[in-house]
Amino acid sequence: NAGVMQNPRHLVRRRGQEARLRCSPMKGHSHVYWYRQLPEEGLKFMVYLQKENIIDESGMPKERFSAEFPKEGPSILRIQQVVRGDSAAYFCASSTTQNTEAFFGQGTRLTVV
Amino acid sequence: RKEVEQDPGPFNVPEGATVAFNCTYSNSASQSFFWYRQDCRKEPKLLMSVYSSGNEDGRFTAQLNRASQYISLLIRDSKLSDSATYLCVVNSGYGNKLVFGAGTILRVKS
Repeated sequence: NAGVMQNPRHLVRRRGQEARLRCSPMKGHSHVYWYRQLPEEGLKFMVYLQKENIIDESGMPKERFSAEFPKEGPSILRIQQVVRGDSAAYFCASSTTQNTEAFFGQGTRLTVV
Repeated sequence: RKEVEQDPGPFNVPEGATVAFNCTYSNSASQSFFWYRQDCRKEPKLLMSVYSSGNEDGRFTAQLNRASQYISLLIRDSKLSDSATYLCVVNSGYGNKLVFGAGTILRVKS
């Protein structure tokens, strides 16, 4: 039973390019979270999705960031026109329902040069 | 006030010591509580869920105090391998998203 799969593990983008981060939840999990962790800081909630629905996006920056979790396929976190401040580790987690524990992928380390 | 607050530490303890962490949360409607650990910027891993009656898993004991809105984690007989950042997690807000505390750093020394 594969765990939460994130890819790529490492992503380098030049300023102004787009970054696409993918997350495949554990089998049977229909809830996905995205978190961002800056160096020397804690995990910051970004967005919480259920299949085809955004439940809570209160942690997402208003511009350049978007997320989706389609009926088929992985959840995607998209960052347009990346800036150096977007460099961080982005973690995805999945759970079966709202109030159950979540399991994390290994993260995507985004570096903007 | 932050939704989930933890003492950042670090807690520096010798091997074999008992150490306790507390965490407070602001949303009285929260229903789910967890402790995770994170090693060296790797992904967080679930340590244990926290139930109203308290629960124990080997050297680890978690307790919940709803009246005071805090959660505790007790680690007995600390091992070097327990060195990590311990994250308190609470479901909160619209949609019951999982909110993480900033973490408490534990360093166990020989």
